[in-house]
Amino acid sequence: DTAVSQTPKYLVTQMGNDKSIKCEQNLGHDTMYWYKQDSKKFLKIMFSYNNKELIINETVPNRFSPKSPDKAHLNLHINSLELGDSAVYFCASSQVRGGGGQFFGPGTRLTVL
Amino acid sequence: QQPVQSPQAVILREGEDAVINCSSSKALYSVHWYRQKHGEAPVFLMILLKGGEQKGHEKISASFNEKKQQSSLYLTASQLSYSGTYFCGTENFGNEKLTFGTGTRLTIIP
Repeated sequence: DTAVSQTPKYLVTQMGNDKSIKCEQNLGHDTMYWYKQDSKKFLKIMFSYNNKELIINETVPNRFSPKSPDKAHLNLHINSLELGDSAVYFCASSQVRGGGGQFFGPGTRLTVL
Repeated sequence: QQPVQSPQAVILREGEDAVINCSSSKALYSVHWYRQKHGEAPVFLMILLKGGEQKGHEKISASFNEKKQQSSLYLTASQLSYSGTYFCGTENFGNEKLTFGTGTRLTIIP
């Protein structure tokens, strides 16, 4: 069984469009994260939720809006997509808020044309 | 504050050893190590929380110095399966955010 799953795996879209990425974890973890990995492989945190509460909100454009309907799900909605948004987006989860290993989903490769 | 990771890349023959370093200018709450293979997600290897701690996972182990500012990942008798990019991730006190280093690309050749 997949521990952390993301859909879709690939997303190709035009500039200006709005898109969503969904994430689900079946590990029973309380904390979930969104990371962006750019073309240089730099992995940077965007958001973190603990039991549906937003606890980390990095300097991310307002066009990015996370939503956590319950502690097993964390979605990412992106408005007005730009070329610079092209990257791989990873969802992750951990059991312990701060101090626990993080388990990553397979990633969503977003390409903005 | 991004940790400094070195070296940027290593090429080894099977059976050789490697050391990857991760350092911070301030004492850390914890340091994580992850491995990412090409086209895949990062995979958690281990976390170190205590100064002076050493931890092992098969032939991969790590240490965290007493001042909690420097960690090293040791890969001994490397296997082809060890190839990938290794990242350290650090957490500061009072900040639950994990900040990743720039990664070390490890290539193992037969």
